[in-house]
This record gives sequence, C-alpha cells and structure tokens, in this order.
Amino acid sequence: DAGVIQSPRHEVTEMGQEVTLRCKPISGHNSLFWYRQTMMRGLELLIYFNNNVPIDDSGMPEDRFSAKMPNASFSTLKIQPSEPRDSAVYFCASSLGAGGGELFFGEGSRLTVL
Amino acid sequence: RKEVEQDPGPFNVPEGATVAFNCTYSNSASQSFFWYRQDCRKEPKLLMSVYSSGNEDGRFTAQLNRASQYISLLIRDSKLSDSATYLCVVNPDSNYQLIWGAGTKLIIKP
Repeated sequence: DAGVIQSPRHEVTEMGQEVTLRCKPISGHNSLFWYRQTMMRGLELLIYFNNNVPIDDSGMPEDRFSAKMPNASFSTLKIQPSEPRDSAVYFCASSLGAGGGELFFGEGSRLTVL
Repeated sequence: RKEVEQDPGPFNVPEGATVAFNCTYSNSASQSFFWYRQDCRKEPKLLMSVYSSGNEDGRFTAQLNRASQYISLLIRDSKLSDSATYLCVVNPDSNYQLIWGAGTKLIIKP
C-alpha cells in the first residue's frame, strides 16, 4: 500500500527563491499535517487540514509560508521568498480522523537554503 | 519547563541488554500518549500507544504513571536494529494537537 508521498526529497536553493513542497496523503485519510523538523527545535506543527480545510495554521512562521489543499489527495507548502533559516526537513503526515495520535509520515523533504 | 521532556542521550547499550527511558509531561490532564521511533534521516513511525494499564508488544513495554506524570519505554534483549531516536508524544486533549518530545537517542553496540 502506498504511504504518504512527498516531493522533492531534497531541495537546494538560494535565498530569495520560491520553494514548493508537495504531499499526497494516504487515500481515505481526512487529516493532513505539515511539520518542520530541525535539530534546535525538534518537530513543529506548521499547519493542520481536516477534510481539505485549514483548521490551524498558527504554526506557520510568517507570511512567507503558505499551504493549500485543493483536494483530498494533494497538498502543497510554499515558501516565498526562502531564507537560510528555513533550512530543515519538512514532513507531511496524514491520519484517519483528528483525535488520535497515529500519524503516518512521508519520507520528508530536506530543504537547504543557501 | 517544557511540556514534554526527554533525556536526549545518547544511551549506549550493548546488544542483548535491557534499556529503559522516561518522558515527563507537564499537563496533568493529558489524555493519550505514544512512543514514536525515528531512524537516522528517516521519518517518525508510531512504535506503540501507551495505555493506562501499560502495554507490551514483543520486547517493548510502555508504562504510564499519571501520579508522577511520566511515561516509560522498556526494551528487552536489545537488537542492533533498535538503534534509533525514540520520540515521546502527548495528546493533551485528544484532538489533533500533539506535543512532541525532542527524542532520546539509543545506540545499540555489538
């Protein structure tokens, strides 16, 4: 069975460039999460969607970050313009329902901003 | 005080030994608890949920101590493949908001 699929796996870009990360959740899962992981801050929730609707975007660092979920099988996280401090691993995760703790993570997108 | 605290380690343990580590949480009303495992440069994966009565899955045992506000993970007969970072996760309100610990790194040595 296909798990959560993220692309690209690795992205190296220069400061000021636009970055778009993509995610395909597990079919049938109605909750989707975008997390960021760094050594300093660990895993941080950026945004949570339920049934394609953004429920909580309080973790989005600033206006440079935006996320969309146009349908149940696709989500994007965009950073524009990117900065070196955005360098991190970005994980997308999905789950069946919102109240449990069983999240299925994608393999992550490792972003390096020079 | 952090909401969820873990000893970062690393715990260096010989193969075959038993190892245990704890995770403390600050919100006494927290509802559910989990252990995730994250291999180096990989994604986190659910290892096990932690029930009030404690639960066991093969070599792994998870315990909850509500009075002292900690959960524990015990690994018996450790294998080289157990080397990973173990993340403690607390769900305070049984909704989407999970509180993640920073993780405990475990290294099993031959």
